[in-house]
Amino acid sequence: DARVTQTPRHKVTEMGQEVTMRCQPILGHNTVFWYRQTMMQGLELLAYFRNRAPLDDSGMPKDRFSAEMPDATLATLKIQPSEPRDSAVYFCASGLPGGQGVNEQFFGPGTRLTVL
Amino acid sequence: AQSVAQPEDQVNVAEGNPLTVKCTYSVSGNPYLFWYVQYPNRGLQFLLKYITGDNLVKGSYGFEAEFNKSQTSFHLKKPSALVSDSALYFCAVRDPGGNNRLAFGKGNQVVVIP
Repeated sequence: DARVTQTPRHKVTEMGQEVTMRCQPILGHNTVFWYRQTMMQGLELLAYFRNRAPLDDSGMPKDRFSAEMPDATLATLKIQPSEPRDSAVYFCASGLPGGQGVNEQFFGPGTRLTVL
Repeated sequence: AQSVAQPEDQVNVAEGNPLTVKCTYSVSGNPYLFWYVQYPNRGLQFLLKYITGDNLVKGSYGFEAEFNKSQTSFHLKKPSALVSDSALYFCAVRDPGGNNRLAFGKGNQVVVIP
């Protein structure tokens, strides 16, 4: 049963600390998405990759957030330095871009981040 | 840019009654439309999608959705709601002529009352 995995599931840290979230996309999927979910803003797209190349990271605060794909099996989202307003649930999703069709995105379980 | 609107914050329905969750979209050209469900403390799960063809799309867990181009709507329906259908439901649209981004609605909390 292929699924997207994310670590850690929960993270509590103090303001100013670096936070790294990891995602393992489903094997064979070549698009990866990072989302942030909060009560106030709902689900926001932060960044997405195709074939490990960043295609769009316009939703991400560039001064403190960075997203990378060191290889096809790992995507990372880093926040440095973290701030209380970064507290949210961060989701990773993967998928295939589709050719004739359009394929759905498969979401991981999320990382719940709390910045004190 | 493409967008979706889910006008209701919460939908309450009695168990066994029909369930409808509303969604309207805005996109240039023909849309690709999706519904996802999120259970507490879980990631989003795909329910169904409309790409082309029959306007009535059937998906997981007995859900279906009807694409209405003239009303730019894609409402999610289930003939008989279960308590286990209580969750957060998201509508999303992807611009077929553009990139792979999905624009999600704000979500609707569905509460099925026993």
